[in-house]
This record gives sequence, structure tokens and C-alpha cells, in this order.
Amino acid sequence: GENVEQHPSTLSVQEGDSAVIKCTYSDSASNYFPWYKQELGKRPQLIIDIRSNVGEKKDQRIAVTLNKTAKHFSLHITETQPEDSAVYFCAASKRRVSPGTYKYIFGTGTRLKVLA
Amino acid sequence: SAVISQKPSRDICQRGTSLTIQCQVDSQVTMMFWYRQQPGQSLTLIATANQGSEATYESGFVIDKFPISRPNLTFSTLTVSNMSPEDSSIYLCSVHLWVTDTQYFGPGTRLTVL
Repeated sequence: GENVEQHPSTLSVQEGDSAVIKCTYSDSASNYFPWYKQELGKRPQLIIDIRSNVGEKKDQRIAVTLNKTAKHFSLHITETQPEDSAVYFCAASKRRVSPGTYKYIFGTGTRLKVLA
Repeated sequence: SAVISQKPSRDICQRGTSLTIQCQVDSQVTMMFWYRQQPGQSLTLIATANQGSEATYESGFVIDKFPISRPNLTFSTLTVSNMSPEDSSIYLCSVHLWVTDTQYFGPGTRLTVL
């Protein structure tokens, strides 16, 4: 079935270091890959996304890369700060013909701790 | 983005009762989704609620347990029926905005069943 594997489940880095989270998806029809950040007790917030016609996208300290052939994508956070501490979820999505909607499959999440 | 609200934000319910969760969006959207997030876990899609059609349920979720209404383009409800402690979870609605072609989440409803 459709699934998204996400690694690592937990990640601790020193403030200022980089963090990388990796996801692998199974459905080759997936064409949209968002990343969400969820702080404790809060809703998931979209932080960056990438579509299948692009290999890399960057927004300030965060970037996402996509390898369609290998069916994996990664989140890169540079110069990490304590406020980056949260749970990060990747997702893979595709358009469904019936009922004409999208389906998102989420990864299992990565708990990132940035140590001051 | 969209402004999404949910009611209630949290509730404690007794076994065997039902709870209806409301989701309100500040703009008209075609696609709304309902997710469940169990403590410390990822998000699991319960169903897709498109206005003007029956909700589409994912494997493992049935209409009798999670009836959904979608009366217009800005509102949806999810009912958790005949609750058991295993239903204790956070329930989130989300919307897909065509303008940005992205998904945004509501604040969630934290449900505890005793």
C-alpha cells in the first residue's frame, strides 16, 4: 500500500549546526511533497513544499530536495536555533481522480531538539 | 493561507456517548479533510469531505462511527459516535486551497474518553 517512511525518529543537534530529515515514498504517482512543523500542543504548520517538476527549493534556512527516481525527499535546516525544536512531518500527495481530491500520506515524524 | 477554527478545542466524554466537532473556514473551499492524531503519533486521514458529495472514508474508518456533514463550502462537522477510550485523540480538520494548491490545518480538538 501507500506509505511514507521518515528517518530519523529523533534528532538532536547543537545550536548552529545543520539538521537533515529524510523521507521515502512508495507511490510513484505522488507529485507534491510538503513538510509540516508541529510544536507541542499546536497545529501542523506548512514550512516548505516541493512539487515533482522541481529538484530543490530553498527558503532562507530551510531547503527541500527531491529525487523522483529514488522516490525520496529531504528537509535541510541550516544554522539551527532553539525555536526550530519541534516535530517535523513529511507528506506525499497525489491527485485522486475519484472523488477529485488529493490524498496526503504522512511520515511518522521526526522530533528535532536543538540544544543551546 | 486560510483561517480555520474548530469547536470544541477539547472535551472529556463518557464512554458510549457521541461528540460532534465543528470546523469553520474563512473562505470557500472545495476540499476539507478530517485527520486523527493519537498521542505522539503521526496524522492519519479519516475521510475527505467535499461539498455536494458523500464523504470518502479511508480504510479502517466507517461512516457509522465517524459521520461527516459538509453543508456548505465553509463548514464541516465530524461526529465521533459511541466513543470508547481508544477514540481518545486529537482530531484535526484541514482544507486544500486551490489558490496556493496547499493544505492547511485547523487547531485541533483534543478528545479524552473515560
